[in-house]
Amino acid sequence: GQSLEQPSEVTAVEGAIVQINCTYQTSGFYGLSWYQQHDGGAPTFLSYNALDGLEETGRFSSFLSRSDSYGYLLLQELQMKDSASYFCAALSGGYNKLIFGAGTRLAVHP
Amino acid sequence: SQTIHQWPATLVQPVGSPLSLECTVEGTSNPNLYWYRQAAGRGLQLLFYSVGIGQISSEVPQNLSASRPQDRQFILSSKKLLLSDSGFYLCAWSGTGEYGYTFGSGTRLTVV
Repeated sequence: GQSLEQPSEVTAVEGAIVQINCTYQTSGFYGLSWYQQHDGGAPTFLSYNALDGLEETGRFSSFLSRSDSYGYLLLQELQMKDSASYFCAALSGGYNKLIFGAGTRLAVHP
Repeated sequence: SQTIHQWPATLVQPVGSPLSLECTVEGTSNPNLYWYRQAAGRGLQLLFYSVGIGQISSEVPQNLSASRPQDRQFILSSKKLLLSDSGFYLCAWSGTGEYGYTFGSGTRLTVV
C-alpha cells in the first residue's frame, strides 16, 4: 500500500525553528510536496522536492532523501500566522497524483 | 491568471438524497483535475482524477461518481447520499508537468 507518516501535533514559540518530518512508502514515487492548511481553508502549495537535498523558499525549507524515504519541512522565524496544519504529499504514479499524509497541526505560541 | 471555483461552500443534505458538486477552472487549458475528501482533522483522500474530457479514474470504491463534461469542468455526484459521505470536498487542478496543486475553497457537506 501507499502511506505517509508525520507527527500529529507540534508546538513551538514565536521566533523559533520547527522541523516537521515525513516518512513515506509509495510505489512509483516521483517527489515530495508540502502543503499548508489553515482551519476551514483549502490547502496551499508550499514546496516540491524531486531530488535529494534542501530547497529553500524564504522562511520555509524542504528536504528530501530518496534513499531513506524521508523528508522534512523546516519553518524558521516562526510567526503566529504559521499556526496551521502541514501536509506532506507524495507525487506517485502517473497523472500528477498526490497521496497525502494525515497532517501535522502546528501551534505557535507567543 | 488561473482561478478555480467550487460551489456551494456548505451543504446539508438528508440521507438518500442526490448530490452534485461543481468545480470549474479558468485561465488554463487541459488541466489535470482532482476530487479529494477530507474528514474532520484528517488528511486528504483522493477520490477521482481526470486528465481530459470524459476521462475519469477512481481511486477508491465508494458511493460517489465523477464526470468531466467540459475541459475545465469537473462534477462530483451521488445518487443517494450516506451518512459516511459527510466531509470537506476539495477540487484541485494542476498543469501538465507541474507539481503544485491549486485547490478550490471546498464544500463542507453534512449528511443528516
